[in-house]
Amino acid sequence: AQKVTQAQTEISVVEKEDVTLDCVYETRDTTYYLFWYKQPPSGELVFLIRRNSFDEQNEISGRYSWNFQKSTSSFNFTITASQVVDSAVYFCALRINAGNNRKLIWGLGTSLAVNP
Amino acid sequence: DARVTQTPRHKVTEMGQEVTMRCQPILGHNTVFWYRQTMMQGLELLAYFRNRAPLDDSGMPKDRFSAEMPDATLATLKIQPSEPRDSAVYFCASAPIRTGEETDTQYFGPGTRLTVL
Repeated sequence: AQKVTQAQTEISVVEKEDVTLDCVYETRDTTYYLFWYKQPPSGELVFLIRRNSFDEQNEISGRYSWNFQKSTSSFNFTITASQVVDSAVYFCALRINAGNNRKLIWGLGTSLAVNP
Repeated sequence: DARVTQTPRHKVTEMGQEVTMRCQPILGHNTVFWYRQTMMQGLELLAYFRNRAPLDDSGMPKDRFSAEMPDATLATLKIQPSEPRDSAVYFCASAPIRTGEETDTQYFGPGTRLTVL
């Protein structure tokens, strides 16, 4: 069975702090894809990143970085020097490579509050 | 900047009424997903379509929910009759999935917030 766990339900930080959002996944498949989405207060889900299981390189995009570790089945997301605009719910999701199956398995999300 | 659009953005209705939500996927995207989001259940996949054909609607209550794609630019989700427990935000997402490619990132619309009284 596939599963995504985001153990942190809510995180509160002060602006300019670094913050890491954890994502742990479960799958028996060797080929799979991991995603992060952001849901700001406006409600729309915004795609942040997609990573396939064969690419374990960490990725950096501005203040955002992602640490993919197959050994621990984790795909953690770090925001450096957080800003108030980063306040949102962040979702991690998993998709296995199974023919036409394009379902995403979603975590329950981590609500991040960045306070001024 | 291509986006998924959804109408209406907000809907308040009374129990027993029919509700229709509409989605316009990004032009060229051939796969459309319908999700429901509630505080208790999080994001739930209701159904999804590829090239207008339903691929999976196992997440959808069959007795009252129906999803269709009359054409490539319109997907609809209907609830008849609606019940208070249907109150949620309903999201549509589209993706450009092609055989042999795995670039299937889903792009979401702004959602329809449904309240059934």
